[in-house]
Amino acid sequence: GQQVMQIPQYQHVQEGEDFTTYCNSSTTLSNIQWYKQRPGGHPVFLIQLVKSGEVKKQKRLTFQFGEAKKNSSLHITATQTTDVGTYFCAGMDSSYKLIFGSGTRLLVRP
Amino acid sequence: NAGVTQTPKFQVLKTGQSMTLQCAQDMNHEYMSWYRQDPGMGLRLIHYSVGAGITDQGEVPNGYNVSRSTTEDFPLRLLSAAPSQTSVYFCASSNRANTEAFFGQGTRLTVV
Repeated sequence: GQQVMQIPQYQHVQEGEDFTTYCNSSTTLSNIQWYKQRPGGHPVFLIQLVKSGEVKKQKRLTFQFGEAKKNSSLHITATQTTDVGTYFCAGMDSSYKLIFGSGTRLLVRP
Repeated sequence: NAGVTQTPKFQVLKTGQSMTLQCAQDMNHEYMSWYRQDPGMGLRLIHYSVGAGITDQGEVPNGYNVSRSTTEDFPLRLLSAAPSQTSVYFCASSNRANTEAFFGQGTRLTVV
């Protein structure tokens, strides 16, 4: 079955530094979604990418979808303490299963 | 508009007991799913449904049953709880497959 891998598992940065998490799928994806989960909370949808090579921005967050539609990345510029949480990518396979990556936990030192 | 509502929020079970985790959504979403979240393992799909009357297995279905008799409700049943089922369980719904998923607040289950 489809597998979605995410790296790194943890990232501890100083406030103001940049942060990137990478997502790789074992199969070609129709689209990819990104979610954020704050400590003790539930996952919250951030964005969906559909097109090969697509790049989308939300303020300090930049999302990319690879040309082969098998990988994606999330980059945060100048992290803030409010960015703390775990970031997940998720891809849907041909049988409509939405499979999540293992997540990257971001910690920000003020 | 409550979104996705999960009950209970916390539950302690003894090994071998059965229980049902409830999930209801009021957004008329077709697609609903159940995940479990364990430390360091992300969210793993247990069962999902693309519409009323239709369910299918996810990545880790063993030990769990589901049914979808209405659009709104998608209960998850543990027939004989085991300590390995200690986890946080999330229910999610989306308008269709491949669209934004809305998650409930989660149920923290401990099996002793």
